[in-house]
Amino acid sequence: AQKITQTQPGMFVQEKEAVTLDCTYDTSDPSYGLFWYKQPSSGEMIFLIYQGSYDQQNATEGRYSLNFQKARKSANLVISASQLGDSAMYFCAMREGRNEKLTFGTGTRLTIIP
Amino acid sequence: DSGVTQTPKHLITATGQRVTLRCSPRSGDLSVYWYQQSLDQGLQFLIQYYNGEERAKGNILERFSAQQFPDLHSELNLSSLELGDSALYFCASNWRGDPGNTIYFGEGSWLTVV
Repeated sequence: AQKITQTQPGMFVQEKEAVTLDCTYDTSDPSYGLFWYKQPSSGEMIFLIYQGSYDQQNATEGRYSLNFQKARKSANLVISASQLGDSAMYFCAMREGRNEKLTFGTGTRLTIIP
Repeated sequence: DSGVTQTPKHLITATGQRVTLRCSPRSGDLSVYWYQQSLDQGLQFLIQYYNGEERAKGNILERFSAQQFPDLHSELNLSSLELGDSALYFCASNWRGDPGNTIYFGEGSWLTVV
């Protein structure tokens, strides 16, 4: 079974609108972390936001927030007031237990339309 | 800028050849990770080193090897290269004190095998 599932291969969103990128995960470990990364066309992988499994509140970082629904095993990324510079690939990733490596989803290509 | 430095940024080489990718982690980070990103396999974890010792191994081919030196920089050696080894190779590093052991990625080394 896929540990990280991103069901939206591509999304087109009008500039200034909010956008939600979906991510569901699968783990039996009670301790885990969820991450979102942005990969522009230039290729670098940029860390955006982190949510721990024991965190009581949803994580926020500027225009990014993580809609964490533990029972549903989902960790959707919300970008408010989208900008042209938000056009990129977005990856959801998970770290389980003491394992430090990240497992990535297949990504969502977000295109912001002016 | 994540603080993780990778060289070279781009590399074109012929099948059967050997190349070395170099990585300098963020200052103070003891862990170094190598990931491969290809069109067909997505982002795959290859190997992790912690303070000079191999910590975890992923989908790394026998033709590939890595090491971490006393100054904590790391090298990924790819030998007997095949066309399918063409990919973006990321080095990443982290420190246990970061929230969720967040892993920070370098800009990647684009390898093209012709």
